[in-house]
Amino acid sequence: SYELTQPLSVSVALGQTARITCGGNNIGSKNVHWYQQKSGQAPVLVIYRDSNRPSGIPERFSGSNSGNTATLTISRAQAGDEADYYCQVWDSSTVVFGGGTKLTVL
Amino acid sequence: EVQLLESGGGLVQPGGSLRLSCAASGFTFNTYAMSWVRQAPGKGLEWVSAISGGGGSTYYADSVKGRFTISRDNSKNTLYLQMNSLRAEDTAVYYCAKGGCSSTSCYTEHNWFDPWGQGTLVTVSS
Repeated sequence: SYELTQPLSVSVALGQTARITCGGNNIGSKNVHWYQQKSGQAPVLVIYRDSNRPSGIPERFSGSNSGNTATLTISRAQAGDEADYYCQVWDSSTVVFGGGTKLTVL
Repeated sequence: EVQLLESGGGLVQPGGSLRLSCAASGFTFNTYAMSWVRQAPGKGLEWVSAISGGGGSTYYADSVKGRFTISRDNSKNTLYLQMNSLRAEDTAVYYCAKGGCSSTSCYTEHNWFDPWGQGTLVTVSS
């Protein structure tokens, strides 16, 4: 079965850029979607189809996808960006989520 | 405004059954795929099942195949998840989620999840 690999945690200084990776075999050939989940809340979509932002998501959030790695980039990180982030793809008629990355803003 | 409201969670004994519901509003329900995603306490997201807008195509995670059944009533704008032969490892918050693009724009298998409901807790324990 297809697997997505994310780092358990990423730390970023306030105002700096955070990058969260999502690794998978030839993931560049798939559409990757990203979700943010703050403590005690339901997940929220932040990026769809690799690099598209839903309405209401700040331009600070961006995404890319190539080869074996997709990346969620958060520019000018804010305290409010602290959350768990999950990548997601479809493979063989099933949905696969990455294990999630906890973002800490220092 | 899109709203998704799950209900039906609770405490059930191992081997028991439960039916979850997700009442949807604010969009043309029958043109969007819908999914169930769960999250065990302190764990990550795990996709459970999906269904196409018309209900003709269903998809399941291996962990629930043969035990859970997804369905929808488009006349009632409601999504369901019938859960049988429940196990302790099924304990989780269950979220329903709307497909990100309509069936006129993309296949179910190209979909993302937006938005999500607030979830309903299912606890399987004796």
